[in-house]
Amino acid sequence: EDKVVQSPLSLVVHEGDTVTLNCSYEVTNFRSLLWYKQEKKAPTFLFMLTSSGIEKKSGRLSSILDKKELFSILNITATQTGDSAIYLCAPSSAGYGNKLVFGAGTILRVKS
Amino acid sequence: NAGVTQTPKFRVLKTGQSMTLLCAQDMNHEYMYWYRQDPGMGLRLIHYSVGEGTTAKGEVPDGYNVSRLKKQNFLLGLESAAPSQTSVYFCASSFPRGMLDYEQYFGPGTRLTVT
Repeated sequence: EDKVVQSPLSLVVHEGDTVTLNCSYEVTNFRSLLWYKQEKKAPTFLFMLTSSGIEKKSGRLSSILDKKELFSILNITATQTGDSAIYLCAPSSAGYGNKLVFGAGTILRVKS
Repeated sequence: NAGVTQTPKFRVLKTGQSMTLLCAQDMNHEYMYWYRQDPGMGLRLIHYSVGEGTTAKGEVPDGYNVSRLKKQNFLLGLESAAPSQTSVYFCASSFPRGMLDYEQYFGPGTRLTVT
């Protein structure tokens, strides 16, 4: 059975702090790993990682994938209150439907 | 370009009532998905479709039916609503470009309460 575990479940930090969010997975026919940010409504896409060791960056956010150890991390530096959200990790399974398997998410709250 | 839209945004049903949730996308995407999101459980796949006229079961299909009569629309039906179906429902769409993965685009969600 496919399994995705995110940690921590929630955390509270102050503006300017750096945070690291973790995602470990066991997915049949793994293809890629996606990170989404969810504020009040729909999840919005952040990154797609397909190769190990290649860091993807977008401003203050960066992410890396380890396909051997089956985990990914999402780093956020110099956090801002606008980073407060649920961060969802979703490995994709190759095959019919290109399905995503979502973790429960990490709830991040950034205090000013 | 509206992306993925969902109708309605909110709904309250009584146990045993039926309803249909509509998802529409204007991006010419082939694949469409229905998820439910419950506190502490992430998003779980209910049903999905890889093209017009096709549907398949996801992780939690019981109590739901779907139809994809037109490429741009994906309908989720609840024939006899139960309190356990109280949840937020998200629709998503994507299009696989060759050998590359393609992210899923999500609609704004429908909050359903069954009393």
